[in-house]
Amino acid sequence: EVQLVESGGGLVKPGGSLRLSCAASGFTFSNAWMSWVRQAPGKGLEWVGRIKSKTDGGTTEYAAPVKGRLTISRDDSKNTLYLQMNSLKTEDTAVYYCTTRTHWGQGTLVTVSS
Amino acid sequence: QSVLTQPPSVSGAPGQRVTISCTGSSSNIGAGYDVHWYQQLPGTAPKLLIYDNYNRPSGVPDRFSGSKSATSASLAITGLQAEDEADYYCQSSDSSLSGWVFGGGTTLTVL
Repeated sequence: EVQLVESGGGLVKPGGSLRLSCAASGFTFSNAWMSWVRQAPGKGLEWVGRIKSKTDGGTTEYAAPVKGRLTISRDDSKNTLYLQMNSLKTEDTAVYYCTTRTHWGQGTLVTVSS
Repeated sequence: QSVLTQPPSVSGAPGQRVTISCTGSSSNIGAGYDVHWYQQLPGTAPKLLIYDNYNRPSGVPDRFSGSKSATSASLAITGLQAEDEADYYCQSSDSSLSGWVFGGGTTLTVL
């Protein structure tokens, strides 16, 4: 059974940092292109960014609102996806999901507030 | 303002058929990128409902169907059931944005 389990969310002050993790199991993680998608309270889905598999180059792409502040990485030896979040803003408050598109985690809530 | 445009809400009585439209442009749906649909029940993560325009993942009832033409796509739900009440999102890719784009979401109410 495919499982994606996010962790690392919490309350952080504006300008602060946070690192989210997504533990994957039930599929060949190293072959998967992985994405982060977020959902602000009461709002729709917003793509954050994506990392390709290493065999496909391992490159990353980001949405404009997060470029330069959020960084996606992966550790295939640990079957884990990461989202390093720096210079956080109040508008980054959202539930963050990791996804292969076919499968989604349960999400982790990040709240940016003073 | 979402890149893909969906109606904010649709409704229908049990047993009826409803459709949800998703309108894009020449840089996304019109460029040939596939369209995918997700169902999000209240308080839960999105679930893939339709992939690559009209394909259903295993376990999704055939009451759900997708179609695509030119710069738009549609999700049709037949034989509406109370359990279909949810938010529905379309998603594609965009050549000018180098990533995924979503519709703003449509809330389905079963009357």
